[in-house]
Amino acid sequence: QGQLVESGGGVVRPGGSLRLSCAASGFSFNNYGMHWVRQVPGKGLEWVAFIRYDGTNTYHADSVKGRFTISRDNSKDTLYLQMNSLRAEDTAVYYCGRCLGVPGAIIPYSYYYMDVWGKGTTVTVSS
Amino acid sequence: QSALTQPASVSGSPGQSITISCTGTSSDVGNYNHISWYQQLPGQAPKLMIYEINKRPSGVANRFSGSKSGNTASLTVSGLQAEDEADYFCCSYAGDSLLLFGGGTKLTVL
Repeated sequence: QGQLVESGGGVVRPGGSLRLSCAASGFSFNNYGMHWVRQVPGKGLEWVAFIRYDGTNTYHADSVKGRFTISRDNSKDTLYLQMNSLRAEDTAVYYCGRCLGVPGAIIPYSYYYMDVWGKGTTVTVSS
Repeated sequence: QSALTQPASVSGSPGQSITISCTGTSSDVGNYNHISWYQQLPGQAPKLMIYEINKRPSGVANRFSGSKSGNTASLTVSGLQAEDEADYFCCSYAGDSLLLFGGGTKLTVL
């Protein structure tokens, strides 16, 4: 089924940087697209970024474009989110999510849905 | 783009049915069939319950069903059980790689 474990969260001052990691196990990581999604405690979810299974395409939400960068290392089964120029409004729990598998398809997953999620890592931006 | 609109809370008694609405626009919900619903238990990660409007991943009870009409998607939970008490989020593709989520609905089983 698969498991995802995020790490790297913490407290950082405005303008600072953090790099989040998401370690994958139990599935062929290099066959799946991956997302980052965040959630302000007690609030809704917000899509942050996506990376194609081979890392050749990435997409970022407008709210983080130019500040955050999604990447992956398939040799380490790990997804990353480099966060620079952090703002108070970036304070949230950050989840990584695996795209829903679509067996038999040319690209064997669906961009639009996430069927495996990690438990999240908390980022707090505060002076 | 703004988040999709969901009621803040719904409630029902065990055995009853409830429906949660998710209202968007002609640029998101009304324009795509890439609608999904996630269940989030307290302190847990979201869980995919419905995708592509009305499909259930393996392991999700058939008490959960989805539909769409115009710019509004809906999640129906039939035969409510205590374990269904959770937050539910809708999600729609909005074009240009954007995934839009709703603000979430707290389901209380009375």
